[in-house]
Order: sequence, then structure tokens, then C-alpha cells
Amino acid sequence: AQKITQTQPGMFVQEKEAVTLDCTYDTSDPSYGLFWYKQPSSGEMIFLIYQGSYDQQNATEGRYSLNFQKARKSANLVISASQLGDSAMYFCAMRGYNQAGTALIFGKGTTLSVSS
Amino acid sequence: DSGVTQTPKHLITATGQRVTLRCSPRSGDLSVYWYQQSLDQGLQFLIQYYNGEERAKGNILERFSAQQFPDLHSELNLSSLELGDSALYFCASSVGGAADEQYFGPGTRLTVT
Repeated sequence: AQKITQTQPGMFVQEKEAVTLDCTYDTSDPSYGLFWYKQPSSGEMIFLIYQGSYDQQNATEGRYSLNFQKARKSANLVISASQLGDSAMYFCAMRGYNQAGTALIFGKGTTLSVSS
Repeated sequence: DSGVTQTPKHLITATGQRVTLRCSPRSGDLSVYWYQQSLDQGLQFLIQYYNGEERAKGNILERFSAQQFPDLHSELNLSSLELGDSALYFCASSVGGAADEQYFGPGTRLTVT
């Protein structure tokens, strides 16, 4: 069965600092995708970044990068130069390509608090 | 704005009632997914439709049903509501291919009293 684990319930960082949010995953599928979403207090889910299991390079999107270590089954999100607006819940998710279709399986999330 | 729309934004209803949540996917997206977010269960996948047909089922209760119409909008029907059904219900859409990102709507917050 597929599983996503986020072990940090909360993280605190100061503005302009970098922060790493941890995510480990478990799957027996040879092909899968890993995602990070941001959920601000307003509730919407915002797509941040995607990494395919066969991608050779780590994904980057602006200040977001995904540190993908396949052998360790980890997909940590790195946010560089944190901003106050980054304060939110962050979810790591995985999609497998199997009989379950292409639905996402989410971790429990990490709350990030950015202070000035 | 993800391009996925959901109505209503908020819904308050009583136990035993039935409600319908509506979702319009992004233009061109063929897949629609429904997710439930609650404090105790977290974010859970309920059901996926692709171009009008059911593709996959997750942790969807028998009291819940969904469909995707020819214009690709989708509805999630929740019946015989219980207090525990109170949650944020998200619809997401994707083009449908294997490597597609899923874009989420703003959600419908359901409160069952």
C-alpha cells in the first residue's frame, strides 16, 4: 500500500531563512509522482511542485525545490528565503499509476510559521 | 485562481438530510477527483471520474455518490448525513494523463448539525 509520512507537525522559521519540510513515502509501484501543496488559512489547496519518479533532476519552481532521494524514499520540500506569506499548512502527496487510478494520497501535513 | 470552481462555498444542514456539491473542472481537463478533508481523517480521496466514467474509488461511503456529466462538470451527492460528515470537500481536476498535476477548487465546507 502507498503511504506518505510527514513527521514534522510544525516548523518555525524567520523571514529570509530557508526551511526544509520532510516527506517520506512508501510504494511498490515503479512509476509514481510526488507533489507538494500549500494550504493557507483560507483553505484552498495550492499546487507548488511536482517530481516524477524517473526524473533525473530535482524539480524547482521559483523559491521551491524538491530534494528527491529515491533510494531513501524521501521528497523533501525546500523553501528558500521564506516570506510571511509562506505561513500555511504544507502537504506532501503521492500518485501511483495503478488500479486505483491517479488519485493522490496525502500526508498529514506540516504547519509552517514564518515570523518577522 | 486554479480555474476549478465549486459551489456552494459553505453549506449548513441537519443530520439525515441530503446535499449536492457541484464542481466545474478547468477548461480542457477530463478528470475530476473528489477529496474529503476532516480533522480526524485528514485529506482522503473519495472518487475519480474521467470523461464521464468512474475511474477509481477511494474511501467513499455508500451514502455518497457522484457523477460526471457530458459537459464534464461533476456532482457529489451526500445523503443521510451524519455529524461526522462535516468536512471540507474538494474537487480537483487534471487533463487526465499520467503525469498531470491536479488543480484544486476552493472547496465546499459542509457543516452537519
